Amino acid sequence: QSALTQPAAMSGSPGQSITISCTGTSSDVGGYNYVAWYQQHPGRAPKLVLYDVSQRPSGISNRFSGSKSGNTASLTISGLQAEDEADFYCGSYTSTYTWVFGGGTRLTVL
Amino acid sequence: QLQLQESGPGLVKPSETLSLTCSVSGGSVSSSSYYWGWIRQPPGKGLEWITSIYYGGTTYYNPSLKSRVSISVDTSTNQFSLRLTSVTAADTAMYFCVRGLPGGAAAPVAYWGQGSLVTVSS
Repeated sequence: QSALTQPAAMSGSPGQSITISCTGTSSDVGGYNYVAWYQQHPGRAPKLVLYDVSQRPSGISNRFSGSKSGNTASLTISGLQAEDEADFYCGSYTSTYTWVFGGGTRLTVL
Repeated sequence: QLQLQESGPGLVKPSETLSLTCSVSGGSVSSSSYYWGWIRQPPGKGLEWITSIYYGGTTYYNPSLKSRVSISVDTSTNQFSLRLTSVTAADTAMYFCVRGLPGGAAAPVAYWGQGSLVTVSS
């Protein structure tokens, strides 16, 4: 299984909105509504921020939202804050009953 | 509150076997409601799913690692373990033990250990 494709880096100013894309195939992103997004701060384990494309776990800000169209899923962060600066990874359930992740997007808050 | 803690050697020689154990507290590996698994992250790189297991023995493996990987559960110690054989430098990574949300294999990973850095070098 090949890694999902994400932009390597993105940036935005406080208060702005940014959207991170995640492109896969019909065997993963396009085939299931089981896409998750993780936020990872340096030296820390990843943290689940969205699952099932657009569901937020308890305690996650509603500034995080998700969508999917065809083989591409997206994470939108609105009202950027300094604390949002981190690496973001998408993940998708696959036809082999496992998960595949993207290469990660480094988000910089200017 | 669920806590996961990895343990094992930090240095493994090439061609040898990497073995890691995950100790679970605040939950039971005997539950069939979710899976337990392993994910790795090479230094400076992205995440790679390795394997998962349900109590009762159902296992799933990353196809690219399947021939070298095994996962098991020990209910007597409330732990689960990873074995990766014939390691090379490409297996150098932070290894995370994880647990999914309640549900089937399509449930996302929701709980992570702090990670255990394993370096493959002679």
